[in-house]
Amino acid sequence: QVQLVQSGPEVKKPGASVRVSCKTSGYIFATYDIIWVRQAPGQGLEWMGKISPDNADFQGRLGMTSDTSTTTAYMDLSSLTSNDTAIYFCARGRRRNEIDAWGQGTLVTVSS
Amino acid sequence: QSALTQPASVSGSPGQSITISCTGTSSDIGYYDDVSWYQQHPGKAPKLVIFDVNDRPSGVSTRFSGAKSGATASLTISGLQAEDESTYYCSSYTGSNTVIFGGGTKLTVL
Repeated sequence: QVQLVQSGPEVKKPGASVRVSCKTSGYIFATYDIIWVRQAPGQGLEWMGKISPDNADFQGRLGMTSDTSTTTAYMDLSSLTSNDTAIYFCARGRRRNEIDAWGQGTLVTVSS
Repeated sequence: QSALTQPASVSGSPGQSITISCTGTSSDIGYYDDVSWYQQHPGKAPKLVIFDVNDRPSGVSTRFSGAKSGATASLTISGLQAEDESTYYCSSYTGSNTVIFGGGTKLTVL
């Protein structure tokens, strides 16, 4: 079955960087986009970005990459502040707006 | 860009129908038919229940249906069941490979 398994929780200090990994299985990695969504404590969902599996995207503090040989996606976020404290989800995307499988989420806590 | 506008909460009794609205603009819901809805139980990842305004993924109950009129989309759940109690998020494509979410609506089954 389709699975997206994310790395474990992280605690970071302000100004640091974090990497969250997302190991996929059960489907052809090259045929779906990888999407990153975050959710601050008690808040709603926030779209971060999407990449096709053979691409990378870097937008300001956010970097999204993937390794097709290991079918793993990565999300890097730098210059962390307390506002970045959230659960980060990776997900599988189809077409323009159809997220049909999600990872379990990774809690990133930014605290001094 | 601001989030799509959803009511904070709705409620209904078992067996009843409820509708959750999701209001956007002419740049998102009003322009694209790429509207999706997600159900999220506490502590869990979201689950897709509607895509392309009114299509259901395989395995999602036929009690879930979607619609759109102008810049407002809606999710209707008929024959409410206790297991439907959850938070529901709408989302819309906005162009340039970007999606925007609504603020979420907490559904209480009385």
